[in-house]
Formats: sequence, structure tokens, C-alpha cells
Amino acid sequence: QVQLVESGGGLVEPGGSLRLSCAASGFTFSDYNMTWIRQAPGKGLEWLSYITTSGRTMFYANSVRGRFTISRDNTENSLYLQMSSLRAEDTAIYYCARRATMTTSHSFDIWGQGTMVTVSS
Amino acid sequence: QSMLTQPPSVSAAPGQKVTISCSGSNSNTGNNYVSWYQQLPGTAPKLLIHEDQKRPSGIPDRFSGSKSGTSATLGITGLQTGDEADYYCGTWDTSLSAGVFGTGTKVTVL
Repeated sequence: QVQLVESGGGLVEPGGSLRLSCAASGFTFSDYNMTWIRQAPGKGLEWLSYITTSGRTMFYANSVRGRFTISRDNTENSLYLQMSSLRAEDTAIYYCARRATMTTSHSFDIWGQGTMVTVSS
Repeated sequence: QSMLTQPPSVSAAPGQKVTISCSGSNSNTGNNYVSWYQQLPGTAPKLLIHEDQKRPSGIPDRFSGSKSGTSATLGITGLQTGDEADYYCGTWDTSLSAGVFGTGTKVTVL
């Protein structure tokens, strides 16, 4: 079935780095633009970053630009988020999501289950 | 990062209707399609509405979307206990070249 599975979350100290992965299955990964979205404990959704099918075009939220890097490997059906200079406020569940192609909306029709990142000393 | 404004909470009795507003600006909701998501407790969000008012297959017609100017609205009719969740609007912001979500609305079935 169509599925996204995130991994790589965990506990990291402030100023540290972490790389999240998102494994796609059940669909042609290279046909879809992808995104990372996070949700701090008890808070709302925050859009973080977006990458096009080829991996050549990326967009970032101001809150993470310069610290986070989105990338993908279409041969491995995987999406990545390299996070550096992590802060306490980066503590959140991180979701990868697939941009829907049946619409021109900036909409996301498939979401992973999320991976928790905790930034604390 | 700008966020779209939603009411923190709405509530109604089973079978009744609720509406949730999503207010933005010309750079986001005013000139880009709005989507709506439902997030049940402890789960990932689920797409309910795209292109302001279209439902993906499998979404019941109790859920509807509309937009006027820079404000979008999600309507839920025939409210059920299973509709208790957080609801978020989202769209693209042309000025930011980034996606944006609403502040989220908790729906309570009384």
C-alpha cells in the first residue's frame, strides 16, 4: 500500500545535528513533490520545507532556512531532512508528506506517522 | 512565518453543523487554493478538502469547503463523535515562497 515511514528522530543536544529519513513505498516516488512538516508538542502544524520531483528546487520556512536541508534520492525512494544547529524550539514530531497530484492546490494527500525529535541537554 | 488565523475551538451537539474559518491575506488564501486537514488525536493529519472546495475520494459530503476573498471556511454537517479532532487549513504563500498552515481549530461534539 501507499506508505511513508519516517526514521532518524531522537534526543539531541542543543547545537547538535540530526538527519531524518522518509522511506516511500507503494507509489512512484520520483513522480511526486515532497515536503517536511512538524508539530511541536501540543501545538499546530508548521510547514518546513518542500522539494520538487527532480530534487533541483527546494523551498524553506524562514525558521529553518540555513539550518535545515531537504534532499531526496529517487533511486532509493527516500526523502531526507538534514538538521543542524538544533534548538530547543525544534523539538517536535516531524512528518514527511506527499504533495497530491490530483490537484493544483499545495495539498498533501499521504503523510507518514511522524518521528519525534527532542532537543535538550 | 505567517500563519493563517482560525478560531481555537468550535463545538456543537451531535447531528448539528459547525463552521471553521481560516483568514489570511492576498499573498496566501486570497490568491492560492486552500486545503483542509483533519487530525484525530495521536494521528497524522488527513486531507479533507483541496482547491478550496473539492473532496478527495473517500471523504464524505458532510465535509464542505468554500472561500470568499481572503477567508476560507470548512463546514461539517451531521456532526458525529468521530469528528472530534483538530482541523487545519493550509495553502501556499506567494510572497514567502513557502507553505503556511492555520493555527488550528479543535472541534468538540457536545
